[in-house]
Amino acid sequence: KQEVTQIPAALSVPEGENLVLNCSFTDSAIYNLQWFRQDPGKGLTSLLLIQSSQREQTSGRLNASLDKSSGRSTLYIAASQPGDSATYLCAVRRVNAGNNRKLIWGLGTSLAVNP
Amino acid sequence: SQTIHQWPATLVQPVGSPLSLECTVEGTSNPNLYWYRQAAGRGLQLLFYSVGIGQISSEVPQNLSASRPQDRQFILSSKKLLLSDSGFYLCAWSISHYGYTFGSGTRLTVV
Repeated sequence: KQEVTQIPAALSVPEGENLVLNCSFTDSAIYNLQWFRQDPGKGLTSLLLIQSSQREQTSGRLNASLDKSSGRSTLYIAASQPGDSATYLCAVRRVNAGNNRKLIWGLGTSLAVNP
Repeated sequence: SQTIHQWPATLVQPVGSPLSLECTVEGTSNPNLYWYRQAAGRGLQLLFYSVGIGQISSEVPQNLSASRPQDRQFILSSKKLLLSDSGFYLCAWSISHYGYTFGSGTRLTVV
């Protein structure tokens, strides 16, 4: 059974710091892994998608890595800004065994970047 | 470009009343469509998914139902709402190896 864990659950940092959010999963048979951002009361915004054959993806100040063998992904945020404050969610897409295309979600890391 | 629309953004309904939430996708064909619920302090729960018109799979037995009358339209319904149906409802779509794209969500409060 695939389980996804995100550590830490909450993080508070001063503006300008580089930070790492962690996502671990128990079954390495994944199709891809996707990082999302959710602002309070809002929908989910996709940040980065890493296919199972890839090691990392970058977008601006964000870099996500994937190590399937160890069941880990990290989201690196460089030079954090107050506008980065949000909940960051990690979701793993299981290798299909039929028409079930279910994502397995972590509970998220709530990030606060203080001015 | 592909977009997803979800409405209404906020809804307050009395217990026992019906529900209809709508989601439409633009700029793509034959997407997989999903309804998720997010309860306070809990993770996202997949409620329904659809791989085509009229094809609905239910992940969790509940008071809700879903329909897909058109290729890019997905509707979440209930005949009689319960207090426990309160939550944040999210519609999403995906195609093949691409990731998921989510709508802006509907905050449902059942009173």
